[in-house]
Amino acid sequence: EPEVTQTPSHQVTQMGQEVILRCVPISNHLYFYWYRQILGQKVEFLVSFYNNEISEKSEIFDDQFSVERPDGSNFTLKIRSTKLEDSAMYFCASSGTSGTGTQYFGPGTRLLVL
Amino acid sequence: AQTVTQSQPEMSVQEAETVTLSCTYDTSESDYYLFWYKQPPSRQMILVIRQEAYKQQNATENRFSVNFQKAAKSFSLKISDSQLGDAAMYFCAYYTGANSKLTFGKGITLSVRP
Repeated sequence: EPEVTQTPSHQVTQMGQEVILRCVPISNHLYFYWYRQILGQKVEFLVSFYNNEISEKSEIFDDQFSVERPDGSNFTLKIRSTKLEDSAMYFCASSGTSGTGTQYFGPGTRLLVL
Repeated sequence: AQTVTQSQPEMSVQEAETVTLSCTYDTSESDYYLFWYKQPPSRQMILVIRQEAYKQQNATENRFSVNFQKAAKSFSLKISDSQLGDAAMYFCAYYTGANSKLTFGKGITLSVRP
């Protein structure tokens, strides 16, 4: 069964450093998403991406965040200058259609900013 | 703005018994989708079940079923014949075609007693 994959599974970084989180969505999916979950809290939407551009972003997704689909398979989330409060689990998701499509989640990347 | 409320932070069930997890939501949309996701200790987000608002019939998926009350904006998950592997955090989520994002509730921690 096809699945969303994410790398790395864990990342530890120093405050102010740049991190890139990588995702490989399900191959025939067209819509891609990033969510985050701070420990013990609910899952929050960050950004959605379709046709090589951002469809929607939340207020969390400020100028220090960016997304990219550098090739036909990868979908990345970059945090330019990490802050302590960026420590969270980051989930990538994909769906085949927007509006009606079920979003399938990757296993997540656990980011710790020291 | 759409909101999803899970008012019970924790529930416990005896193995082989049935448990119901509650969820309410608020929306002005008529066409939307509701989901239950399971998050085990690994923190992966696993789709449990999906319900389309235009369908009157409640969704079922093996031991999992929902009680969808559109007028009351209620969407509860029933787990029959509970198993130890059902122990996890369960999130209710809402999705509409008007935007791309899933809106999650705060989640409920389900424990299963052997």
